Amino acid sequence: ETGVTQTPRHLVMGMTNKKSLKCEQHLGHNAMYWYKQSAKKPLELMFVYSLEERVENNSVPSRFSPECPNSSHLFLHLHTLQPEDSALYLCASSPGRGEQFFGPGTRLTVL
Amino acid sequence: ILNVEQSPQSLHVQEGDSTNFTCSFPSSNFYALHWYRWETAKSPEALFVMTLNGDEKKKGRISATLNTKEGYSYLYIKGSQPEDSATYLCAFSSGSNYKLTFGKGTLLTVNP
Repeated sequence: ETGVTQTPRHLVMGMTNKKSLKCEQHLGHNAMYWYKQSAKKPLELMFVYSLEERVENNSVPSRFSPECPNSSHLFLHLHTLQPEDSALYLCASSPGRGEQFFGPGTRLTVL
Repeated sequence: ILNVEQSPQSLHVQEGDSTNFTCSFPSSNFYALHWYRWETAKSPEALFVMTLNGDEKKKGRISATLNTKEGYSYLYIKGSQPEDSATYLCAFSSGSNYKLTFGKGTLLTVNP
């Protein structure tokens, strides 16, 4: 499979659950990103990793914990989320600071 | 605080019409302006990355211009087709980091 893939595509979780979102890219890019898309709001950057090191942390609550074990994989670990965290979570990758390639997103619902 | 504004918020046109929308962004510390096309239930797809003042880029029936001194970019679609229906996003990056600041997008609907 090519491009940027994300799993799962849909996730429903309770506020006490722990879950993880996974992103994988096969494009040879060295930067990966997590974005949040809430209803009627712009895409918001959450985290950026460059060469597996976190270079941006956009004031995201600690209940979201990113992990980048290698340049092809990015995880977002979720713990004790709130209903207002329900949103579409998009992963992207890029070759340096150029054009970003997005995955299809995970639609998260927190009950 | 960086604000990226897009207008109009939504637009309905008839097949064959030409249309354009606007993105405004901070003119200081400019690095690049990105345009993306986002169809429902698909991934956002990059259209253009623009870096030079006065730049004009074209891909098929879609073109974009950039004015970094006054902080705006226009996206033009010539002879709109129903398959052009999507949300068009612009995003600004400054010189210091990897962050893209997105606008809310323009939702284009092309009626057959």
